[in-house]
Amino acid sequence: NAGVMQNPRHLVRRRGQEARLRCSPMKGHSHVYWYRQLPEEGLKFMVYLQKENIIDESGMPKERFSAEFPKEGPSILRIQQVVRGDSAAYFCASSPIGQASTDTQYFGPGTRLTVL
Amino acid sequence: RKEVEQDPGPFNVPEGATVAFNCTYSNSASQSFFWYRQDCRKEPKLLMSVYSSGNEDGRFTAQLNRASQYISLLIRDSKLSDSATYLCVVIPSGSARQLTFGSGTQLTVLP
Repeated sequence: NAGVMQNPRHLVRRRGQEARLRCSPMKGHSHVYWYRQLPEEGLKFMVYLQKENIIDESGMPKERFSAEFPKEGPSILRIQQVVRGDSAAYFCASSPIGQASTDTQYFGPGTRLTVL
Repeated sequence: RKEVEQDPGPFNVPEGATVAFNCTYSNSASQSFFWYRQDCRKEPKLLMSVYSSGNEDGRFTAQLNRASQYISLLIRDSKLSDSATYLCVVIPSGSARQLTFGSGTQLTVLP
C-alpha cells in the first residue's frame, strides 16, 4: 500500500510565476490536509479538504493561494505569482474516513519550493 | 502566546541516557494530543498518541496533564537513531481536524 505521494519533490520558481503542488492520498483515504513549514519554523496548517469540498481553509493566506481535491485525481495546492516568502516545505497529509479527531494523519515526503 | 510551546533545545545526550521533553498548550478544551518526530528535511511521522492515563511504547513514555495543560515525552536508553526533532502536536477544540504543531525540540544522541 503506497503511502502519501507528493510531486514534485523539489520545485524552483522565479518571482511572479505559478507553483502547482500535487498530493495523492493513501489508498482508501478521502481526507487531505496541507501544511507549510517555513525555514527554521514549525508546521502550520493551511487547508483541509475532502473530495470536491473545502472543509477548513482557515490557515490559507487570503490571496494567491488556492487548493482543490477533485473527484478524480490528486489534490492540488496552487500558488499564483509566487514571492520569495513562499519558499518553504509544503507537506500533504491524508487520513481515512473515521472518528473526527482521532484519525491518524499520514504525511507525504513534502515539496520543497524555492522562489528565486 | 503560542498555541503549543516547546523548549527548542538542542538536547545533546550520550547513548543510553534518559531524556525528557515538555510541552504546554494554551487551549484548555483541546481534544487530542500526539508526539511526532521529524528527521532532517523529511516528513513528520507519528511517534505516539498521548492519553490522560499515560501510555508507553517500548522506550517511550508519554504523559498528559489536562489540569496543567502539559504534555511530556520520556525516552529511556536513548539510541543514536533517536536523533531527530520531536514535535508536540495538539488538535484544538473546535478544529475540524487540523493539527497544531509546536516548533519542535531537537535531540542529538552522541556516541
